[in-house]
Amino acid sequence: GAGVSQSPSNKVTEKGKDVELRCDPISGHTALYWYRQSLGQGLEFLIYFQGNSAPDKSGLPSDRFSAERTGGSVSTLTIQRTQQEDSAVYLCASSLWGTSGMKGKYFGAGTRLSVL
Amino acid sequence: QKEVEQDPGPLSVPEGAIVSLNCTYSNSAFQYFMWYRQYSRKGPELLMYTYSSGNKEDGRFTAQVDKSSKYISLFIRDSQPSDSATYLCAMSGRGSQGNLIFGKGTKLSVKP
Repeated sequence: GAGVSQSPSNKVTEKGKDVELRCDPISGHTALYWYRQSLGQGLEFLIYFQGNSAPDKSGLPSDRFSAERTGGSVSTLTIQRTQQEDSAVYLCASSLWGTSGMKGKYFGAGTRLSVL
Repeated sequence: QKEVEQDPGPLSVPEGAIVSLNCTYSNSAFQYFMWYRQYSRKGPELLMYTYSSGNKEDGRFTAQVDKSSKYISLFIRDSQPSDSATYLCAMSGRGSQGNLIFGKGTKLSVKP
């Protein structure tokens, strides 16, 4: 597609349930990133993929969070046993290279997660 | 001290005004500097990026980086109501491939 696509656009879940968020990067982009944006906070880095491997998982806030990427394309971010503090907008971005700045990142519209 | 500081605003200006948006940072290793624009309920959109110090101009937008002062700016000339959005600065060091550090964003409103 023309841009980064994320689904669902909105997700409401009950505390304790698992959720899966999906990201389709721009075709040909080898690098994929997940960020979280909470109200009043900046974007918080979660994890970075180069191809199917994740050289930097340093931003995942707890072991309830995991992510995978298959075929060098689609990525899924899974949050297990969701908590109310997980409520945020989860943004996916992709770029041509793994370098953080030379080509910039292109973001999807995000998944707005609400944990009740 | 946070790594990147950005005044959240809100900033309200009349149409046609020159807008100045700024960020300061503490990490001298940062070399890549970006500005993103984010409309409500949309993802951030890359607006400008610069490497190291200097100026970069693109249409009505000018980005400036002063590494000696650890200060970056985005100027918007002849501002339009369509420029109303949240502007986020972001930066990273060489080799930190995934981890862009973002400011919290400045909310700008351009009144017609």
